[in-house]
Amino acid sequence: QQQVKQSPQSLIVQKGGISIINCAYENTAFDYFPWYQQFPGKGPALLIAIRPDVSEKKEGRFTISFNKSAKQFSLHIMDSQPGDSATYFCAASRGPGGSYIPTFGRGTSLIVHP
Amino acid sequence: DVKVTQSSRYLVKRTGEKVFLECVQDMDHENMFWYRQDPGLGLRLIYFSYDVKMKEKGDIPEGYSVSREKKERFSLILESASTNQTSMYLCASSATGLGNQPQHFGDGTRLSIL
Repeated sequence: QQQVKQSPQSLIVQKGGISIINCAYENTAFDYFPWYQQFPGKGPALLIAIRPDVSEKKEGRFTISFNKSAKQFSLHIMDSQPGDSATYFCAASRGPGGSYIPTFGRGTSLIVHP
Repeated sequence: DVKVTQSSRYLVKRTGEKVFLECVQDMDHENMFWYRQDPGLGLRLIYFSYDVKMKEKGDIPEGYSVSREKKERFSLILESASTNQTSMYLCASSATGLGNQPQHFGDGTRLSIL
């Protein structure tokens, strides 16, 4: 049973466009929602994270939007660049009372064409 | 910066062999993890450890074991390698602290079982 569903599996965007990756979760006890970025030949690295007490978090060109009632969150990459081409993983974890261990989505392969 | 080092980038072994994958982290993190990454399946947790000599099963522990004799080192063992264990293996570490802590990943070991 997939606790975190991620879509799309792959995404192709032109340089300067907006990339949007969506995730949905089932466990309402999750209280931390990070996104990881993985370049070819490298391990994933934390990109940005949000907690459910806010609806949006922005860091540079990267924004997480969070909809608690719909149990959905998404990553928006504004002005996408070829250097953003990577695999992106959403995740969710439960803090106090839980294990803190993230449950990952299956990943989205993003290609940004020059 | 946290550094998680996996001893081999590529490894080729034969069916039935006992295989050791080694991981070392340099930030005195309490928690260490082993994942396997397969296309379309994302990151699946094999085993994790909260402390020296402690281990917990993840989502797919069958066919694997782990060892944590020192805080900085976490080893994954394939007791009798099989072809369906051909995969990318990722080690990660995280601190224990207030709230959720990000995971720091190594660059992975691509293991082929012939």
